[in-house]
Amino acid sequence: GQQLNQSPQSMFIQEGEDVSMNCTSSSIFNTWLWYKQDPGEGPVLLIALYKAGELTSNGRLTAQFGITRKDSFLNISASIPSDVGIYFCAGSISGGSNYKLTFGKGTLLTVNP
Amino acid sequence: NAGVTQTPKFQVLKTGQSMTLQCAQDMNHEYMSWYRQDPGMGLRLIHYSVGAGITDQGEVPNGYNVSRSTTEDFPLRLLSAAPSQTSVYFCASRTGGGNTIYFGEGSWLTVV
Repeated sequence: GQQLNQSPQSMFIQEGEDVSMNCTSSSIFNTWLWYKQDPGEGPVLLIALYKAGELTSNGRLTAQFGITRKDSFLNISASIPSDVGIYFCAGSISGGSNYKLTFGKGTLLTVNP
Repeated sequence: NAGVTQTPKFQVLKTGQSMTLQCAQDMNHEYMSWYRQDPGMGLRLIHYSVGAGITDQGEVPNGYNVSRSTTEDFPLRLLSAAPSQTSVYFCASRTGGGNTIYFGEGSWLTVV
């Protein structure tokens, strides 16, 4: 099956710092998604990427779909305490009825005020 | 908008008991799925459905049954709960042609 490696596993940063996390795959994806999960809640979609090389922003968040289609990164600029949570990458190789997401194991982000 | 609604939020079961986790979505999504989330394992797909009357197994289906009698509902059944099924369960849905999945708020299940 597909393997997704997400790193780092956890990060502890100071408020105001920038954050970068990434995912790499053993095979090609045609969709990359980034989710955030707050404690006690379900994952919420942050950014969706559909084309190789695509760079998309959502406020202080920026994500890119790697040219090789085997990787993606998420950057958070000027972190704030509410950025705390677990960030998941997810990828898929096809749409339609065969669509299945493969998830990374998550990056736990802690922001020190 | 209710989105994806899961019940119960918390449940404690004894080994061997059965129960059903309920999931409903009001977005007319064709595709629904169940995931379990365990520490260090991320989200793993249990079962999924591409439409009413159609279900299929995901990555970790053993010990779970599902059915899809309507577009809106996708219950997950544990017929004989085991401690290994202690986990957080998430229901999710998407449109048939969409690439983004929307999650419920989760159900925390403990089997003792």
